[in-house]
Amino acid sequence: SAVISQKPSRDICQRGTSLTIQCQVDSQVTMMFWYRQQPGQSLTLIATANQGSEATYESGFVIDKFPISRPNLTFSTLTVSNMSPEDSSIYLCMGLGPGETQYFGPGTRLLVL
Amino acid sequence: GIQVEQSPPDLILQEGANSTLRCNFSDSVNNLQWFHQNPWGQLINLFYIPSGTKQNGRLSATTVATERYSLLYISSSQTTDSGVYFCAVEQGGSEKLVFGKGTKLTVNP
Repeated sequence: SAVISQKPSRDICQRGTSLTIQCQVDSQVTMMFWYRQQPGQSLTLIATANQGSEATYESGFVIDKFPISRPNLTFSTLTVSNMSPEDSSIYLCMGLGPGETQYFGPGTRLLVL
Repeated sequence: GIQVEQSPPDLILQEGANSTLRCNFSDSVNNLQWFHQNPWGQLINLFYIPSGTKQNGRLSATTVATERYSLLYISSSQTTDSGVYFCAVEQGGSEKLVFGKGTKLTVNP
């Protein structure tokens, strides 16, 4: 099974700043996704990270706020830009592996003050 | 878009009790999964079950696709079963998962 790691595991940031979250998969996955989980809430899909091209964003999420890169099959980054307290959430990377099994990273807990 | 509803939202059990969690979905799906999110936030895939019944130890799941619901059974619950259980569905081969709001389970010793 694929193992997914994320960095940082948690961070506390000031409003107006940006944070880049890294997601590394130990084996190749066909697709990678980024999800957000606001406090006490369920998971919401932000975007599909496409290798070598622009990410595909879901309704309510835009590239200027959440730029995403995926330079190769096993690595992706999500940046949370110009942060506000409303961006305080857990951000999770998900990879689709062999047999279409989904694997989630451990998440990045972000608190914006 | 598709709606995913889970019940109950909260459940408190004594260790050793059994429970049933329900997931209703509003449209046909290609894929349905049950996840457990532990208190540290890690999501673990429990079952990939678009239809039929599967069992894994004390856990089992049944999906009746024609009636658009799935059930997760937990038997002889343990404190380590505590956490949030999510049902997630996928439509149309998109590989995108739509999550329900979860059932928060607390198992007391």
